[in-house]
Amino acid sequence: EDQVTQSPEALRLQEGESSSLNCSYTVSGLRGLFWYRQDPGKGPEFLFTLYSAGEEKEKERLKATLTKKESFLHITAPKPEDSATYLCAVPGRRGSNDYKLSFGAGTTVTVRA
Amino acid sequence: DAMVIQNPRYQVTQFGKPVTLSCSQTLNHNVMYWYQQKSSQAPKLLFHYYDKDFNNEADTPDNFQSRRPNTSFCFLDIRSPGLGDAAMYLCATYRPVGLAGGNNEQFFGPGTRLTVL
Repeated sequence: EDQVTQSPEALRLQEGESSSLNCSYTVSGLRGLFWYRQDPGKGPEFLFTLYSAGEEKEKERLKATLTKKESFLHITAPKPEDSATYLCAVPGRRGSNDYKLSFGAGTTVTVRA
Repeated sequence: DAMVIQNPRYQVTQFGKPVTLSCSQTLNHNVMYWYQQKSSQAPKLLFHYYDKDFNNEADTPDNFQSRRPNTSFCFLDIRSPGLGDAAMYLCATYRPVGLAGGNNEQFFGPGTRLTVL
């Protein structure tokens, strides 16, 4: 069974204090890893898709990287508006699980001014 | 420019009283999903439709059913809600990469928060 594990569960940062979130996965034959942002009481908002080890993507203060076993979401000089839960997800193996994502439980980031 | 719309945003029902949640999309995506998300947990897939083909997850209780009358709309019916069914219900859509306009993104709606009294 595909497993996605995120750490830490919660992260409290001061404004400007850079940090990283981790997402490790056990699915074989990775066909993409997705990062989402979820604000309280709202649906997940798509951030990035990564497909191959070594790939990096950036959006404002966020940068996502991918290795063969894990992905990192780096938050550089965060601001209070970066406070949210960050979810990662991977699709199933090719076949009947093609269209289904396995989600991690998320990392809740709180950035204090 | 809402692309995945869920109604209502908040739903309160009584124990055992049937409830229907709705989802509509303007993306013309083939696949529509229903997830259940409880506090501080990952979204849990209940079922999905690929066009009209219904795919139920093995551990989805019989209490949960779904209808997709056309491409744009999908409904989640909870026949006899229990206290344990209180959660956020998320609808998402997807168009496979192999189809025109398809990519690997699942688009989520804003969710419906269900309270069971």
